[in-house]
Formats: sequence, structure tokens, C-alpha cells
Amino acid sequence: TQLLEQSPQFLSIQEGENLTVYCNSSSVFSSLQWYRQEPGEGPVLLVTVVTGGEVKKLKRLTFQFGDARKDSSLHITAAQPGDTGLYLCAGVSSNDYKLSFGAGTTVTVRA
Amino acid sequence: NAGVMQNPRHLVRRRGQEARLRCSPMKGHSHVYWYRQLPEEGLKFMVYLQKENIIDESGMPKERFSAEFPKEGPSILRIQQVVRGDSAAYFCASSPPGTPWSEQFFGPGTRLTVL
Repeated sequence: TQLLEQSPQFLSIQEGENLTVYCNSSSVFSSLQWYRQEPGEGPVLLVTVVTGGEVKKLKRLTFQFGDARKDSSLHITAAQPGDTGLYLCAGVSSNDYKLSFGAGTTVTVRA
Repeated sequence: NAGVMQNPRHLVRRRGQEARLRCSPMKGHSHVYWYRQLPEEGLKFMVYLQKENIIDESGMPKERFSAEFPKEGPSILRIQQVVRGDSAAYFCASSPPGTPWSEQFFGPGTRLTVL
């Protein structure tokens, strides 16, 4: 059983469209991170959110941490083929100090 | 500033052989973590080390797997008598001194294939 559930598992969209990836849990997290991983490479850290309700923007990417610090979302505006990859959320639980990963969302942006 | 380095990038072993995976953390980082990734399962924590100390090995299989982070040199993840089920991508991550489990920076991984 995954501590963090990501949805959808797969997402395929046309260039220029918007997309949202969700990361949900029944646990409270002291911090949550989003990574992007390309085939054959390691995950690359995109952002860390620590405050309930926090919103962070990174160019066309918007990250939100839920008020209760149990969930998060990643929204990409006007997706480009370069956004293609596996998006992973990972959280440090308030009950533990380990970093737990979701199974990931595979995003494909078609040109 | 070089990132986390792992070698080899690809490793092929026959059943029963030993696999040694190496990880050099980012300069200045004192925390090292090893993860295993299977397709569609995300990354699973294996072990957390600091120099010369294993801090948390709760994710390590009880047998055949061991890890070390010596005073000098890279961290080593060792798998003895490999089996086909050990085939996976193994990632190392490091983080700076201070709060453990903080932002972790990952290496490119070692893809282990057991024939």
C-alpha cells in the first residue's frame, strides 16, 4: 500500500493543453516534494512545499500544498513536449521522518 | 559543483554473483540514502547512512543486502548471491548537513539486470 497515492497514473495530452497531477494521502506531511524523472535518469527535484495552503510557481508549473498538509497538486499550463516525464511526489510524514514516494504519473505531451 | 555520481550505470550479473553499486554524494553532503525502483512502483527507501554510520536500514532486505559509507570513498550498496528479483534501478541520493530527510538530490542510478 502506497502512503502517497498519485493520480492519474498516465496522462497523454496535446502540446498547449493544461494538465493537473494529484498526490493524496491520509497522513499529514511536514513537507512535500515534487520530482521529475526522465527515462534512464534519476529524479530531479522541482519544488518543496512546507506550509499548508502554500502555492509555489516555477514558470509554467504551479504547485499547491493542501491546507491540511495531506495532499498536493501539480498544474502545468500550456504543456510542451519537454514537459514529458515521470512526475513523482514525495513526503516527509509528521509521524515519521522518512521520505515516502508516490508511484508517479507518466506525462506525455504530444507535439 | 558535481552532482551525485553513481557507477556503474548498468550492471549485469548472473544469479549467485555479487553486485557492488557505488555512490559519491554531492560535495559537502553528509547524508546518503539508497532507494530501489521497480516499474510502476515508485522509489522504495532502503537505507540511510552518514559517514561510518548506518542510521536507518529499515528498508533493506534482511539477507544478502548490505550498505556502507566509509570515512573515505563512496558509499557502497552490496548485494550478495543476486537473484532475478533483484533486477531493478538503484538510486542514491544525498542531502546536506542539518535536517535529515530534507531535500534530496539523486544520482542517475544503476540499472541492475540479473540473468
